[in-house]
Amino acid sequence: DVKVTQSSRYLVKRTGEKVFLECVQDMDHENMFWYRQDPGLGLRLIYFSYDVKMKEKGDIPEGYSVSREKKERFSLILESASTNQTSMYLCASSPLGQGDEQYFGPGTRLTVT
Amino acid sequence: LAKTTQPISMDSYEGQEVNITCSHNNIATNDYITWYQQFPSQGPRFIIQGYKTKVTNEVASLFIPADRKSSTLSLPRVSLSDTAVYYCLVGAINSGNTPLVFGKGTRLSVIA
Repeated sequence: DVKVTQSSRYLVKRTGEKVFLECVQDMDHENMFWYRQDPGLGLRLIYFSYDVKMKEKGDIPEGYSVSREKKERFSLILESASTNQTSMYLCASSPLGQGDEQYFGPGTRLTVT
Repeated sequence: LAKTTQPISMDSYEGQEVNITCSHNNIATNDYITWYQQFPSQGPRFIIQGYKTKVTNEVASLFIPADRKSSTLSLPRVSLSDTAVYYCLVGAINSGNTPLVFGKGTRLSVIA
């Protein structure tokens, strides 16, 4: 089975802190994604990566950056956390192109106080 | 990318068949239609994917008319555990690096 793991299920950080969310997949997938999900807004794509050291902006990249140094790991970085970044963050991976099945991790619920 | 439109919410009683329709009027020739299911506090998971006519698996059926401008996810005899949000996505497989767009989905509530 494909497994996508995220470093934390719950995280509480203070405003202004630098936050790292880690995601690891074990299926050698080329694509990896970071989404955030808020009530009533569905899933919104923050960043995605289709190869090591490659990244592309999604719909809402402001306030976030990403890093992909190894194929299996995709990190989301909040340079200076703000309260409006309180959300559920979901990582996903997929083998190839845009229509391929995405496998999601369990999510990290981040609260910024 | 083809945009999709689906109902915001639906209610159903246990044991009934539920049909959720998704509109995708500008679907492209190479686009497939994919449905995901999401339970509370979990990431979405793949349910079914199709290109045309009908696809069936152990969980659901997907009906796609000849013009492919819409599709219907059919869940036979739903149970309380089918209460979830269902997302319809449209895009080409193995084509390019632009990911699919998840909309707001349809929130299905199954009532005992």
